[in-house]
Amino acid sequence: QKEVEQNSGPLSVPEGAIASLNCTYSDRGSQSFFWYRQYSGKSPELIMSIYSNGDKEDGRFTAQLNKASQYVSLLIRDSQPSDSATYLCACGLNNNDMRFGAGTRLTVKP
Amino acid sequence: KAGVTQTPRYLIKTRGQQVTLSCSPISGHRSVSWYQQTPGQGLQFLFEYFSETQRNKGNFPGRFSGRQFSNSRSEMNVSTLELGDSALYLCASSWTYRTSGVDEQFFGPGTRLTVL
Repeated sequence: QKEVEQNSGPLSVPEGAIASLNCTYSDRGSQSFFWYRQYSGKSPELIMSIYSNGDKEDGRFTAQLNKASQYVSLLIRDSQPSDSATYLCACGLNNNDMRFGAGTRLTVKP
Repeated sequence: KAGVTQTPRYLIKTRGQQVTLSCSPISGHRSVSWYQQTPGQGLQFLFEYFSETQRNKGNFPGRFSGRQFSNSRSEMNVSTLELGDSALYLCASSWTYRTSGVDEQFFGPGTRLTVL
């Protein structure tokens, strides 16, 4: 079992729709959770961090964390073509040791 | 504030050679982590340095090593290169204020290493 699992996709949504990205993790010791966006040929860019159960909103992005279910999700509202990228879920243990999922490729169609 | 910088951006080496990659963190960040990204294995944690000390290490052979200097700049070295070492090597820096868990990490542009 991989430490962090994501649906590889690709996920395709029309412009203006809500994109829902999901992630599960295996290590119950994980305390910090992150979503990164990576455009082709570029390095990962931090979108959201979440440390406590519940929802965290930042603009069009909402991260949700459920530690009991070991589940993290990212919602992108009003999706734009510029949101087309690979989204990486990451779980942090200690001392900045982060474990990444394989990523979900999102395509937003105009 | 300047972001994380990495040099060189591209490298071509042959098997058996060694390579050194450099990373300068965001000003004020004292932690530097290194990752390897390949299409097959994704992003994998190599090691993390804080205040010139390696605090954590991923599951990579001893050919992969690193160090951190007093100004927080970090270098990563790979000796006796193998074809499978071809990858994008990313470093990430963080502020490090949490007593547990992981702080937000910000990635540099990466070094693309090709081993022939």
